[in-house]
This record gives sequence, structure tokens and C-alpha cells, in this order.
Amino acid sequence: GDSVTQMEGPVTLSEEAFLTINCTYTATGYPSLFWYVQYPGEGLQLLLKATKADDKGSNKGFEATYRKETTSFHLEKGSVQVSDSAVYFCASGGTSYGKLTFGQGTILTVHP
Amino acid sequence: DTAVSQTPKYLVTQMGNDKSIKCEQNLGHDTMYWYKQDSKKFLKIMFSYNNKELIINETVPNRFSPKSPDKAHLNLHINSLELGDSAVYFCASSQEQILGETQYFGPGTRLLVL
Repeated sequence: GDSVTQMEGPVTLSEEAFLTINCTYTATGYPSLFWYVQYPGEGLQLLLKATKADDKGSNKGFEATYRKETTSFHLEKGSVQVSDSAVYFCASGGTSYGKLTFGQGTILTVHP
Repeated sequence: DTAVSQTPKYLVTQMGNDKSIKCEQNLGHDTMYWYKQDSKKFLKIMFSYNNKELIINETVPNRFSPKSPDKAHLNLHINSLELGDSAVYFCASSQEQILGETQYFGPGTRLLVL
């Protein structure tokens, strides 16, 4: 079945540092790929998505590129802020009736 | 206006009890989902409904029974609660159940079974 693997956390950074959170997937067919973010005490919000190979999703300074050859969708941000502290989830949306398969989540803490 | 809402936000109960969690979306979406998030933050789909019809049932114990009275509501009833049911339960919705469709999540219901 489909699976998503994210880099182990937690990740702790200083403000303005560069962020990378790795994500790889296995899927039958050609899934859509998503990054969701969960702020403390809240539900998940879509951060960005890409629906086909070589697409780049971007939002709020975050970017991720759908790499079919490496089955990856790594999340990057050039300069993180304290307000980016949250749990980040990579997910793949296969062809099975909109079902999302999530990675295990990566806790990001950004210090001033 | 809240797009996807859940009640209650917190639920503390004893083992063996029966409880329900309600979910409503005002986005006009056709598809709704229930997810379970465990203590390690791992999220897994439980059910999805499209226009009140069950589409996905991910080998969840039959103590869990979703009910969709209309396409804006998807409630989750849990019988004979067990300690292992303690988790955060998220409701979500999407316009359709197709590839690439964004899902919108509720704030979660934190269930603690004692």
C-alpha cells in the first residue's frame, strides 16, 4: 500500500535559519503530494501541494517540488520565524477515493 | 465562520462507556472523513463518506460507527470505549473525492478514556 516517510524530529532551529524537512513516498500510480501544518492545539491546515511531477508548491515562504525520480517532496524555507513552530505533515493522495496517507509528522521548534 | 467544526473539543470518559463526536461542515462539500491521531502524532484515516454513502472503511473495529444524516454532517459513535481509543479525532471535508483535492480539517476532539 501507499506510504509516506518523513525525517525524524523534533527539529530545533534559531530564527532566520534554513529549514529542510525530508519526505519520500511510495505509491501506485501518480499521487498528489501535500504538506499540512498543525499549530499547537489546532487542526491541520494545508500549507502547499503539487499534483504532478516537477510541480512546485509554495506558500508563506515554504516550497516543495514533486520529484518523481526520487519519489520525494522535501519542504524548504529560507528563513524560519518563531511563528513557524508547529508539526508538519507530508501526505500523499492516491487514487483511492481521495484517501490521504500521512507521514509521521515532524515537530519544528524555532527559537528567537 | 468556522468551516469544519467538531463537538465536543474535549471528552473524558470511563472505559466501557459509549460516546459520540459530532462534525459539521459549512463549505458545501460532498465528502467527509474521520481521522485518528495517536499520542505520537501519527494520523490515520478511519472513514470517508461521499454524499452520505460510506466510501472508505479502514479496518476500524466495529465499535466505531460513523453516521451521516446529511452531507454536511458526519458523526462518529464509539461503543464500549477502550483505553486504546484515547487519541485526537479529526473530521475533514473536501469538495470531491478525487486526486489532488484539498481536505479541510476541523480543530479536533481530544478523547481520553480512563
